[in-house]
Amino acid sequence: RKEVEQDPGPFNVPEGATVAFNCTYSNSASQSFFWYRQDCRKEPKLLMSVYSSGNEDGRFTAQLNRASQYISLLIRDSKLSDSATYLCVVNPYGNKLVFGAGTILRVKS
Amino acid sequence: DTGVSQNPRHKITKRGQNVTFRCDPISEHNRLYWYRQTLGQGPEFLTYFQNEAQLEKSRLLSDRFSAERPKGSFSTLEIQRTEQGDSAMYLCASRTDREVNTEAFFGQGTRLTVV
Repeated sequence: RKEVEQDPGPFNVPEGATVAFNCTYSNSASQSFFWYRQDCRKEPKLLMSVYSSGNEDGRFTAQLNRASQYISLLIRDSKLSDSATYLCVVNPYGNKLVFGAGTILRVKS
Repeated sequence: DTGVSQNPRHKITKRGQNVTFRCDPISEHNRLYWYRQTLGQGPEFLTYFQNEAQLEKSRLLSDRFSAERPKGSFSTLEIQRTEQGDSAMYLCASRTDREVNTEAFFGQGTRLTVV
């Protein structure tokens, strides 16, 4: 089983739609969690950290479910500029950071 | 300091040659990571350093790969006897250890093509 698993998509949604991604992780002792965004042929950049209580940043909401070992990302009112690959990142132990394969989002007008 | 810097940005090499990449992290970051990414995949962990100590190396990494971080500043990743399967984007990232949720900042990567 992979350490971090994501649905690769692509998710094709119209502008203004709400879309959600899930990511599961295998190590129950994992300590920290992140969502990164990667545009085509660019380096990954942090979108948001994921806290136990859940957190929101504008149109983006991240949640953590430790019992079921998954994290989620919800994007409301999708914009064309949200089109990218969204990478789930987990710190399973120590300071190692493990990336999922990414979920492709395409927002269309 | 404008961020994580990687050199070269592109490298084309013949199969069997050795290549070396350099990463200059953000200056106050004591943790440095190397990843490899191929098309359609997420970054695959290769190794990481805390200061000059290499704390973990992926079991997927063959003995042809070696990384160093002398003096805990810049790092180099060397691939010996390159193979076509080594063609990928090699990404470097750095972060601090002040808190658990600190952000990892990535360089723009070195794209390796083995012909």
